[in-house]
Amino acid sequence: DQQVKQNSPSLSVQEGRISILNCDYTNSMFDYFLWYKKYPAEGPTFLISISSIKDKNEDGRFTVFLNKSAKHLSLHIVPSQPGDSAVYFCAANSGYALNFGKGTSLLVTP
Amino acid sequence: DAGVIQSPRHEVTEMGQEVTLRCKPISGHNSLFWYRQTMMRGLELLIYFNNNVPIDDSGMPEDRFSAKMPNASFSTLKIQPSEPRDSAVYFCASNKKGAVNQPQHFGDGTRLSIL
Repeated sequence: DQQVKQNSPSLSVQEGRISILNCDYTNSMFDYFLWYKKYPAEGPTFLISISSIKDKNEDGRFTVFLNKSAKHLSLHIVPSQPGDSAVYFCAANSGYALNFGKGTSLLVTP
Repeated sequence: DAGVIQSPRHEVTEMGQEVTLRCKPISGHNSLFWYRQTMMRGLELLIYFNNNVPIDDSGMPEDRFSAKMPNASFSTLKIQPSEPRDSAVYFCASNKKGAVNQPQHFGDGTRLSIL
C-alpha cells in the first residue's frame, strides 16, 4: 500500500507563475520529508527537504510546507521557469527507508 | 565530486540470462540502497546496506535477486535467471548514515529490458 501519495500525475504552469505540487502521507512516524526532481534518463536529484519539527523550509525559488495535522506537504516554485519542467517526487523518511510517491510531471510553458 | 556511478546504463538480454548491475557509491558514504522503478509500483526499495552489510533485504522480490557489497566502493545487484517482468529502471543511491537527515543521492540508473 502506498504510504506517500501524489494525486496529480501532471501539472502545467506558465513561465513566471507559481507551481504548487502536493503530497499526502499516511504514516505519522515519518519524520523527514524530501522532494526530488527527475529529468528523463537521469536519476532523481535531491531538491529540498523539511524536518517534521518545522512547517516551512525555503531555498531560493523553492519552498516546502508541511502540515502535520493534515499529513500533507507541498512544494512551491516561484517563479516557475521552463527548466523546472521535470518529474517531481515526494519522499518520506522513517529511519533509513525512503518511501516515494509516484511523481508529478510538471510542464512549464513559455 | 563524482556522484553515484552505475553501469551499464542500458541492458537488453533474453529471458533466462544472468544480469549483473553495478554501483559505485559516493566516496565517504557508508549507506547504499538499490531501488527499482516501474510504472505500476513507482520507486521501491529493494535492499539497504550499511557499512557493507545488508541490513534490510525485505524488498527483494524473489530468490532470483541477490545483492552484494564486497567493499565500501562497490555493489552489485544480480538477477538469475532473468524474466520479462524484471524489466524496469534500477537505481542505486548512497548517503552518510549517522549524520542527521542526510538525503540519498542517486545514480542515473540502469534501464533493464528482458526479452
